[in-house]
Amino acid sequence: SQTIHQWPATLVQPVGSPLSLECTVEGTSNPNLYWYRQAAGRGLQLLFYSVGIGQISSEVPQNLSASRPQDRQFILSSKKLLLSDSGFYLCAWLSSDNNEQFFGPGTRLTVL
Amino acid sequence: GENVEQHPSTLSVQEGDSAVIKCTYSDSASNYFPWYKQELGKGPQLIIDIRSNVGEKKDQRIAVTLNKTAKHFSLHITETQPEDSAVYFCAYDSGGYQKVTFGIGTKLQVIP
Repeated sequence: SQTIHQWPATLVQPVGSPLSLECTVEGTSNPNLYWYRQAAGRGLQLLFYSVGIGQISSEVPQNLSASRPQDRQFILSSKKLLLSDSGFYLCAWLSSDNNEQFFGPGTRLTVL
Repeated sequence: GENVEQHPSTLSVQEGDSAVIKCTYSDSASNYFPWYKQELGKGPQLIIDIRSNVGEKKDQRIAVTLNKTAKHFSLHITETQPEDSAVYFCAYDSGGYQKVTFGIGTKLQVIP
């Protein structure tokens, strides 16, 4: 069966510090991978998606970046965090069988 | 562009009553309409979905209806229970690179 992991689960970082969030998927190959951000009390905002290794599409302009160094690894990064980067970050993969998206457990990021 | 309106944003019902959440979308080419449930501090999970070749689908206490002509679809939860309390997201496939567009979410509170 397929599983998706995210770490860390929670993170508190000062403004201006770097960021690296990791997502890995097991049990599937060549998945479409997604990074979402969920601000407090708000919906899911798609940040990046990737259809393969090294292929990244950005949905919104921001100071975040994403990379996909391996088939089942998706990384969200920032060189300098802003207060507005605080939120709940979710990684997801898409089943090509039925278009269902499977979400990871999320990372709660607080920028102080 | 892709857009989906979801309402209400919050909904309180007495245990045992029904809850209805509605969404309206803009892309007439959409064929897949999932609903996700997000419990506090967790990633969203698919609870039911419907494809454009049917108008209604039911799974125990949960049902979804789709009106492609009017471009809206609804989630119906009957005999609500406290464990139904969560945030519910509608979504639809926005085509292209297998992207799914989410509504802003509805916070459902079932009062015992």
